[in-house]
Amino acid sequence: DTGVSQDPRHKITKRGQNVTFRCDPISEHNRLYWYRQTLGQGPEFLTYFQNEAQLEKSRLLSDRFSAERPKGSFSTLEIQRTEQGDSAMYLCASSLAKDSNQPQHFGDGTRLSIL
Amino acid sequence: GNSVTQMEGPVTLSEEAFLTINCTYTATGYPSLFWYVQYPGEGLQLLLKATKADDKGSNKGFEATYRKETTSFHLEKGSVQVSDSAVYFCALPISSGSARQLTFGSGTQLTVLP
Repeated sequence: DTGVSQDPRHKITKRGQNVTFRCDPISEHNRLYWYRQTLGQGPEFLTYFQNEAQLEKSRLLSDRFSAERPKGSFSTLEIQRTEQGDSAMYLCASSLAKDSNQPQHFGDGTRLSIL
Repeated sequence: GNSVTQMEGPVTLSEEAFLTINCTYTATGYPSLFWYVQYPGEGLQLLLKATKADDKGSNKGFEATYRKETTSFHLEKGSVQVSDSAVYFCALPISSGSARQLTFGSGTQLTVLP
């Protein structure tokens, strides 16, 4: 169990640029989640996948955001035309879809700063 | 959907002091309850969980008991250490019986002084 891995750890970009983050879940986990966390707050749900299917999206996920999990393993989260308000920590988590008691395991996150 | 209210911080304690961080929830049914910890610059780590009423989750000296009568899941530790300084989050699934999205409290910053 190597844990959930996220890349990059930090991203600094200018407003208006596109950014893409990657998440590698724990290998046997078929559920993958994306959350956003701003300073002083708890994580807020963005979207989740079961295998390659994106099953739920939050209203926070505007049309500038897109997430994929093409082969049911790693996932990418892309933000197009970034805005100042996108500055946050983006967290990925994974879990087994065995039952509702399965905890989500989080990566260390990607911190996005928009200049 | 389900929701959680967490004790506001920050909390500052001396080493070896007793810790309580309050968490109350609103839920339909009896969802699993979780405490996560976040160290500076890192993601969240699962600290402990409880899956049914009266369950006690425990890990690294921390404990929390699932109390359905008071809809609470307070985090306790008998003797804190400097290394326990972190932000603690109470969480539960947004809908009971689901392992989908979690909803989190706003977090409690704990600082332990030597």
